[in-house]
Amino acid sequence: NAGVTQTPKFRILKIGQSMTLQCTQDMNHNYMYWYRQDPGMGLKLIYYSVGAGITDKGEVPNGYNVSRSTTEDFPLRLELAAPSQTSVYFCASSLAGGLYTQYFGPGTRLTVL
Amino acid sequence: DAKTTQPTSMDCAEGRAANLPCNHSTISGNEYVYWYRQIHSQGPQYIIHGLKNNETNEMASLIITEDRKSSTLILPHATLRDTAVYYCIGSTGGTSYGKLTFGQGTILTVHP
Repeated sequence: NAGVTQTPKFRILKIGQSMTLQCTQDMNHNYMYWYRQDPGMGLKLIYYSVGAGITDKGEVPNGYNVSRSTTEDFPLRLELAAPSQTSVYFCASSLAGGLYTQYFGPGTRLTVL
Repeated sequence: DAKTTQPTSMDCAEGRAANLPCNHSTISGNEYVYWYRQIHSQGPQYIIHGLKNNETNEMASLIITEDRKSSTLILPHATLRDTAVYYCIGSTGGTSYGKLTFGQGTILTVHP
Protein backbone atom coordinates (compact mmCIF):
# COMPACT_ATOMS: atom_id res chain seq x y z
CA ASN A 1 0.00 0.00 0.00
CA ALA A 2 1.19 3.49 -0.80
CA GLY A 3 -0.83 4.84 2.14
CA VAL A 4 -1.68 8.54 1.81
CA THR A 5 -0.16 10.37 -1.14
CA GLN A 6 -0.20 14.11 -1.81
CA THR A 7 0.64 16.18 -4.85
CA PRO A 8 2.35 18.47 -5.49
CA LYS A 9 5.21 18.42 -2.97
CA PHE A 10 5.95 22.11 -3.43
CA ARG A 11 4.12 25.02 -5.04
CA ILE A 12 4.54 28.77 -5.27
CA LEU A 13 1.42 30.82 -5.99
CA LYS A 14 0.88 34.48 -6.64
CA ILE A 15 -1.71 36.36 -4.61
CA GLY A 16 -5.16 35.80 -6.07
CA GLN A 17 -4.31 32.60 -7.91
CA SER A 18 -6.17 29.35 -7.27
CA MET A 19 -5.01 25.77 -6.99
CA THR A 20 -6.06 22.31 -5.89
CA LEU A 21 -4.01 20.15 -3.53
CA GLN A 22 -4.54 16.49 -4.27
CA CYS A 23 -4.82 13.73 -1.67
CA THR A 24 -5.36 10.03 -2.30
CA GLN A 25 -5.42 7.07 0.06
CA ASP A 26 -5.46 3.39 -0.83
CA MET A 27 -6.40 1.95 2.57
CA ASN A 28 -10.17 2.12 2.01
CA HIS A 29 -10.48 4.53 4.92
CA ASN A 30 -13.78 6.30 5.44
CA TYR A 31 -12.43 9.39 7.18
CA MET A 32 -10.12 11.93 5.61
CA TYR A 33 -8.71 15.19 6.93
CA TRP A 34 -6.85 18.28 5.81
CA TYR A 35 -4.51 20.07 8.22
CA ARG A 36 -2.21 23.04 7.86
CA GLN A 37 0.97 23.61 9.80
CA ASP A 38 2.50 27.06 10.08
CA PRO A 39 6.22 27.37 10.93
CA GLY A 40 7.01 26.26 14.49
CA MET A 41 3.39 25.46 15.24
CA GLY A 42 1.22 22.39 15.62
CA LEU A 43 -1.31 21.24 13.05
CA LYS A 44 -4.72 22.84 12.66
CA LEU A 45 -7.70 21.07 11.09
CA ILE A 46 -9.12 22.73 7.98
CA TYR A 47 -11.79 20.29 6.77
CA TYR A 48 -12.67 16.68 7.26
CA SER A 49 -14.84 14.06 5.59
CA VAL A 50 -16.55 11.05 7.10
CA GLY A 51 -17.29 9.41 3.76
CA ALA A 52 -17.91 10.04 0.10
CA GLY A 53 -20.24 13.00 -0.36
CA ILE A 54 -19.94 14.20 3.26
CA THR A 55 -17.62 16.97 4.36
CA ASP A 56 -17.51 19.39 7.27
CA LYS A 57 -15.49 22.33 8.53
CA GLY A 58 -12.66 22.09 11.02
CA GLU A 59 -10.98 24.89 12.99
CA VAL A 60 -9.69 27.04 10.11
CA PRO A 61 -11.85 26.53 6.98
CA ASN A 62 -11.93 30.09 5.63
CA GLY A 63 -10.37 30.42 2.20
CA TYR A 64 -10.62 26.72 1.40
CA ASN A 65 -13.08 24.29 -0.15
CA VAL A 66 -13.19 20.52 -0.32
CA SER A 67 -15.10 17.77 -2.06
CA ARG A 68 -15.24 14.00 -1.62
CA SER A 69 -16.69 12.26 -4.64
CA THR A 70 -14.86 8.97 -4.02
CA THR A 71 -13.57 7.11 -0.96
CA GLU A 72 -10.00 7.45 -2.18
CA ASP A 73 -9.72 11.15 -3.03
CA PHE A 74 -10.11 14.29 -0.97
CA PRO A 75 -8.88 17.38 -2.85
CA LEU A 76 -8.44 20.76 -1.14
CA ARG A 77 -9.17 23.85 -3.21
CA LEU A 78 -7.65 27.25 -2.53
CA GLU A 79 -9.49 30.12 -4.15
CA LEU A 80 -7.89 33.57 -4.29
CA ALA A 81 -4.65 32.63 -2.54
CA ALA A 82 -3.39 34.98 0.17
CA PRO A 83 0.02 35.21 1.91
CA SER A 84 -1.66 33.98 5.12
CA GLN A 85 -2.16 30.63 3.39
CA THR A 86 1.58 30.06 3.15
CA SER A 87 1.93 26.83 5.09
CA VAL A 88 2.57 23.11 4.88
CA TYR A 89 -0.60 21.16 4.19
CA PHE A 90 -1.07 17.61 5.39
CA CYS A 91 -3.77 15.17 4.39
CA ALA A 92 -4.63 12.28 6.68
CA SER A 93 -7.02 9.35 6.74
CA SER A 94 -8.42 6.96 9.31
CA LEU A 95 -10.58 3.86 9.14
CA ALA A 96 -13.24 5.59 11.19
CA GLY A 97 -13.48 8.57 13.49
CA GLY A 98 -13.14 8.59 17.22
CA LEU A 99 -10.10 6.75 18.47
CA TYR A 100 -8.85 5.34 15.21
CA THR A 101 -5.27 6.15 14.25
CA GLN A 102 -4.78 8.83 11.65
CA TYR A 103 -2.28 8.18 8.86
CA PHE A 104 -0.65 11.23 7.36
CA GLY A 105 0.66 12.02 3.92
CA PRO A 106 4.07 13.62 3.27
CA GLY A 107 2.68 17.15 2.94
CA THR A 108 2.54 19.94 0.37
CA ARG A 109 4.64 23.04 1.03
CA LEU A 110 2.81 26.08 -0.33
CA THR A 111 4.17 29.59 -0.60
CA VAL A 112 1.96 32.52 -1.62
CA LEU A 113 3.83 35.61 -2.77
CA ASP B 1 -10.28 18.14 25.03
CA ALA B 2 -7.59 18.42 27.67
CA LYS B 3 -4.89 21.06 27.40
CA THR B 4 -1.48 19.38 27.46
CA THR B 5 1.86 20.86 28.52
CA GLN B 6 5.19 19.53 27.30
CA PRO B 7 8.78 20.74 27.61
CA THR B 8 9.93 22.65 24.57
CA SER B 9 13.00 20.50 23.99
CA MET B 10 14.94 17.53 25.36
CA ASP B 11 18.19 15.77 24.58
CA CYS B 12 19.02 12.08 24.79
CA ALA B 13 22.13 10.00 24.09
CA GLU B 14 21.84 7.32 21.45
CA GLY B 15 21.10 3.92 22.97
CA ARG B 16 19.68 5.38 26.16
CA ALA B 17 16.02 5.59 27.08
CA ALA B 18 14.24 8.80 26.18
CA ASN B 19 11.55 9.78 28.68
CA LEU B 20 9.20 12.47 27.41
CA PRO B 21 6.81 13.96 30.00
CA CYS B 22 3.39 15.44 29.42
CA ASN B 23 1.10 17.21 31.87
CA HIS B 24 -2.65 17.00 31.29
CA SER B 25 -4.12 18.05 34.62
CA THR B 26 -7.52 18.94 33.11
CA ILE B 27 -8.01 15.60 31.42
CA SER B 28 -11.48 14.14 31.82
CA GLY B 29 -12.31 10.55 32.62
CA ASN B 30 -13.09 9.53 29.06
CA GLU B 31 -10.15 11.26 27.38
CA TYR B 32 -7.35 9.19 25.94
CA VAL B 33 -3.74 10.32 25.80
CA TYR B 34 -2.27 10.06 22.31
CA TRP B 35 1.32 10.43 21.21
CA TYR B 36 2.35 11.29 17.67
CA ARG B 37 5.72 12.35 16.36
CA GLN B 38 6.84 14.36 13.39
CA ILE B 39 10.24 13.75 11.89
CA HIS B 40 11.58 16.80 10.09
CA SER B 41 9.24 17.95 7.29
CA GLN B 42 7.30 14.68 7.25
CA GLY B 43 3.68 14.02 8.20
CA PRO B 44 2.97 13.09 11.83
CA GLN B 45 3.26 9.44 12.76
CA TYR B 46 1.14 7.67 15.37
CA ILE B 47 3.12 6.18 18.27
CA ILE B 48 0.80 4.99 21.01
CA HIS B 49 -2.28 5.87 23.04
CA GLY B 50 -3.82 4.93 26.38
CA LEU B 51 -6.62 5.68 28.81
CA LYS B 52 -5.43 4.74 32.30
CA ASN B 53 -3.39 1.57 32.04
CA ASN B 54 0.21 1.58 30.93
CA GLU B 55 0.63 0.59 27.32
CA THR B 56 3.49 -0.84 25.28
CA ASN B 57 3.94 -1.50 21.60
CA GLU B 58 6.85 -2.06 19.27
CA MET B 59 7.72 1.62 19.22
CA ALA B 60 7.33 2.83 22.79
CA SER B 61 5.80 2.55 26.24
CA LEU B 62 3.27 4.90 27.76
CA ILE B 63 3.13 5.35 31.51
CA ILE B 64 0.06 7.18 32.84
CA THR B 65 -0.06 8.28 36.49
CA GLU B 66 -2.83 6.92 38.65
CA ASP B 67 -4.54 10.31 38.85
CA ARG B 68 -4.16 10.65 35.05
CA LYS B 69 -2.82 14.17 35.36
CA SER B 70 0.42 13.33 33.61
CA SER B 71 2.06 10.71 31.46
CA THR B 72 5.49 9.74 30.14
CA LEU B 73 6.37 8.39 26.73
CA ILE B 74 9.38 6.09 26.87
CA LEU B 75 11.52 5.23 23.86
CA PRO B 76 13.57 2.41 25.39
CA HIS B 77 16.68 2.59 23.17
CA ALA B 78 16.70 5.90 21.33
CA THR B 79 18.37 6.08 17.93
CA LEU B 80 19.33 9.04 15.79
CA ARG B 81 16.21 8.37 13.72
CA ASP B 82 14.07 9.13 16.77
CA THR B 83 15.04 12.80 16.56
CA ALA B 84 11.65 14.46 16.01
CA VAL B 85 8.93 16.64 17.49
CA TYR B 86 6.75 14.59 19.85
CA TYR B 87 3.14 15.61 20.42
CA CYS B 88 1.07 14.61 23.44
CA ILE B 89 -2.65 14.97 22.69
CA GLY B 90 -5.73 14.48 24.81
CA SER B 91 -8.79 13.35 22.91
CA THR B 92 -12.13 11.85 23.80
CA GLY B 93 -12.57 10.34 20.39
CA GLY B 94 -16.19 10.98 21.06
CA THR B 95 -16.74 13.38 18.22
CA SER B 96 -17.94 12.16 14.87
CA TYR B 97 -14.44 12.52 13.60
CA GLY B 98 -11.07 11.82 15.15
CA LYS B 99 -10.35 15.17 16.72
CA LEU B 100 -6.62 15.65 17.34
CA THR B 101 -5.47 19.01 18.66
CA PHE B 102 -1.76 19.40 18.08
CA GLY B 103 0.18 21.76 20.35
CA GLN B 104 3.81 22.72 19.85
CA GLY B 105 5.21 19.44 21.17
CA THR B 106 8.67 18.52 22.46
CA ILE B 107 11.68 18.63 20.17
CA LEU B 108 13.69 15.51 21.02
CA THR B 109 17.28 15.50 19.81
CA VAL B 110 19.15 12.20 20.02
CA HIS B 111 22.94 12.64 20.10
CA PRO B 112 25.55 10.08 19.01
